[in-house]
Amino acid sequence: GAGVSQSPSNKVTEKGKDVELRCDPISGHTALYWYRQRLGQGLEFLIYFQGNSAPDKSGLPSDRFSAERTGESVSTLTIQRTQQEDSAVYLCASSYPFGTGRQETQYFGPGTRLLVL
Amino acid sequence: GDSVTQMEGPVTLSEEAFLTINCTYTATGYPSLFWYVQYPGEGLQLLLKATKADDKGSNKGFEATYRKETTSFHLEKGSVQVSDSAVYFCALSTGANSKLTFGKGITLSVRP
Repeated sequence: GAGVSQSPSNKVTEKGKDVELRCDPISGHTALYWYRQRLGQGLEFLIYFQGNSAPDKSGLPSDRFSAERTGESVSTLTIQRTQQEDSAVYLCASSYPFGTGRQETQYFGPGTRLLVL
Repeated sequence: GDSVTQMEGPVTLSEEAFLTINCTYTATGYPSLFWYVQYPGEGLQLLLKATKADDKGSNKGFEATYRKETTSFHLEKGSVQVSDSAVYFCALSTGANSKLTFGKGITLSVRP
């Protein structure tokens, strides 16, 4: 595809429900990142994948948050038992592998806007 | 830990005015520095970057110089246009995973 895609674009859920957010990175980008942007705040790093492994999960705010990646492609961010403070825009980004000299430029998807009622 | 501080906004300018958006950083390593822009209704996109001290990144008339001595990466444009209205984020990355640390962003509005 031409760019990073994310689905759904918008999600409204009730407190306590689980949600899954999907990211399709640019083909050939083995590095994948999830970020969160809460209203009036900058983007916060959540998790980094290199291939199918996640060497850096330091930004996940609680054990309700998890993510996986299969086939060095699609990634899913899952939030269990959602809370109102989880309301935010969740952004996915991808980049070329480390060592290519091009990993530093991350390409962002349009985001998923999550609202927890 | 790493952090990025941007000047408070929003900023409103008239077309053809000079723009400066301040950005300073704190980093344990030797970071790469970025400006990202988010136009209304669009996704976040890279505007420019610099990877070492004294490098100047430039794109679309915008410039920023990596100043290690003042730990700054201020964004400038000599003559803004209405189409430059957007939210601008300063960011840095360090380490092998290149995760980005962002400032809070600043909204720029340019009036005709």
